[in-house]
Amino acid sequence: NAGVTQTPKFQVLKTGQSMTLQCAQDMNHNSMYWYRQDPGMGLRLIYYSASEGTTDKGEVPNGYNVSRLNKREFSLRLESAAPSQTSVYFCASSERQNYGYTFGSGTRLTVV
Amino acid sequence: GEDVEQSLFLSVREGDSSVINCTYTDSSSTYLYWYKQEPGAGLQLLTYIFSNMDMKQDQRLTVLLNKKDKHLSLRIADTQTGDSAIYFCAESTGDNAGNMLTFGGGTRLMVKP
Repeated sequence: NAGVTQTPKFQVLKTGQSMTLQCAQDMNHNSMYWYRQDPGMGLRLIYYSASEGTTDKGEVPNGYNVSRLNKREFSLRLESAAPSQTSVYFCASSERQNYGYTFGSGTRLTVV
Repeated sequence: GEDVEQSLFLSVREGDSSVINCTYTDSSSTYLYWYKQEPGAGLQLLTYIFSNMDMKQDQRLTVLLNKKDKHLSLRIADTQTGDSAIYFCAESTGDNAGNMLTFGGGTRLMVKP
């Protein structure tokens, strides 16, 4: 049982390049989330998908787009990467509120 | 809006108890969580408490909730070097459709042998 799988684990981009971070979960969870983690700032929500077919902005959506491809997959796209997007990105999923989230192992992105 | 705050750092000796504190501002929080993050890894759910509870114990972990003061704490008994990690508290205020969590900035726990 893999849980939440994120790819790639590491990525270096040049300013202005684009890329898509992939996330897939095999737990049949309805809700999926993208967070970024920066030192001393905890996790900040970028986008979320409460259920298949819906997506909504979180706290820091600027510069990102998402696609809920199906119930399993939720991707995050950076159209024109900026150094301020250097961060560790986590995908998470949840079924019900009191179960909390299951997190992937993260993607460490550096934009130079 | 929601705001969750934690102290940045805690150092204890192996075998001692650790107490990690958290304050939150949203009185409508329904569930509060503690997550653990080891180096290079994602966050792992340790435990959670429903807002109508005062205390929850799970083996070496004790969660205390003071809803009046909006204060949450995690006590780790007999702390081991393997407990060294960053601990995040989080509050949930959404309905089941969204289940939004707001995280604190994390407390780095260092356990000295």
